[in-house]
Amino acid sequence: GIQVEQSPPDLILQEGANSTLRCNFSDSVNNLQWFHQNPWGQLINLFYIPSGTKQNGRLSATTVATERYSLLYISSSQTTDSGVYFCAVGNSSASKIIFGSGTRLSIRP
Amino acid sequence: GAVVSQHPSRVICKSGTSVKIECRSLDFQATTMFWYRQFPKQSLMLMATSNEGSKATYEQGVEKDKFLINHASLTLSTLTVTSAHPEDSSFYICSAPRTSGSTWEQYFGPGTRLTVT
Repeated sequence: GIQVEQSPPDLILQEGANSTLRCNFSDSVNNLQWFHQNPWGQLINLFYIPSGTKQNGRLSATTVATERYSLLYISSSQTTDSGVYFCAVGNSSASKIIFGSGTRLSIRP
Repeated sequence: GAVVSQHPSRVICKSGTSVKIECRSLDFQATTMFWYRQFPKQSLMLMATSNEGSKATYEQGVEKDKFLINHASLTLSTLTVTSAHPEDSSFYICSAPRTSGSTWEQYFGPGTRLTVT
């Protein structure tokens, strides 16, 4: 099956810093989503982005499908950005998605 | 965005008993739903695909007789953990895909934290 790798596994930054999270995948995809898991476990949808670039406030994402990677950018980090960020991909008609191992982001005040 | 609910949010049960978890899509219909399990500080692992009106499809290594899945309607899937043991203690999360034309986006429930004593 498709493999999903995320880097870095952990990232500690000061408030106000910018960050880039990476997701590599092993096969072509028809779905790629970025999520933020909050401290209570809820997965928050950030982006649906199987290709191209999107922006939402301080967050933006780019997927280069031909090179099988996606990047999530967080600018001017805030403490509320802390948590685990997951990339998940799908490549079948069955609509299931497989998760990467996540990046644990800690923003220090 | 779309809303998916789960009930209960937290459950504690004794070893050997069964626990049922409900997953509902509140504002859209879903012919398939998905069940994931997450252990502390780990990623989400797909357990099974719940199919409305037919049998669930289980991922390799998941015991179908232990994790019973029923997809009774286009908005409800249930996961029953039978004869639960402490090693079944985990965070269980469901998801449902919302389609828009030829694309689909997964939305997740808030999760159910199961503790087996």
